[in-house]
Amino acid sequence: NAGVTQTPKFQVLKTGQSMTLQCAQDMNHEYMSWYRQDPGMGLRLIHYSVGAGITDQGEVPNGYNVSRSTTEDFPLRLLSAAPSQTSVYFCASSLRQGAHNEQFFGPGTRLTVL
Amino acid sequence: ELKVEQNPLFLSMQEGKNYTIYCNYSTTSDRLYWYRQDPGKSLESLFVLLSNGAVKQEGRLMASLDTKARLSTLHITAAVHDLSATYFCAGPQTSYDKVIFGPGTSLSVIP
Repeated sequence: NAGVTQTPKFQVLKTGQSMTLQCAQDMNHEYMSWYRQDPGMGLRLIHYSVGAGITDQGEVPNGYNVSRSTTEDFPLRLLSAAPSQTSVYFCASSLRQGAHNEQFFGPGTRLTVL
Repeated sequence: ELKVEQNPLFLSMQEGKNYTIYCNYSTTSDRLYWYRQDPGKSLESLFVLLSNGAVKQEGRLMASLDTKARLSTLHITAAVHDLSATYFCAGPQTSYDKVIFGPGTSLSVIP
């Protein structure tokens, strides 16, 4: 199993550009989530999904969209990038939330918005 | 909304010493997670604590959960350099759909 994969590893955008961060898992996990990590702030939840077709907002959802058309994939879209979105983004999955499961994290995407 | 706090945020300790990291959370929760992150790397799960009084140990790390006090501790015994990392605790919101992380404790073990 590849686990949780994320692409790209690094990305530089200009203000106003849009892009999609890809996340995939091959563990048949129901639950997937996106976090951003900023220095001194820990990880903050952006969006999450409890299953295909179901998504909801986390702590900091503004400026981001998600969809979950399959169990495996959970892309994160930045509609109009802003410098405040410069961060490291982590995707994670777990067998199901609410059960006794920890989350497995992808390697992260380091995004810089100029 | 669940808030998770950690204390201390930065910790420098000598090899061979013992120390405890504290994790406080603001609302009722019957489970708590601990993760480790090495510099420039992703997070890996250390412990899942599922009930009041739960205690788990792995090597030099031991985690416990007191749901009545809304407190979890991560105890480090006889620290070694390999334990240098950032440690996060995290807890679920009441609905168990959102997992909220604390700010992390950056641990540096020096010879």
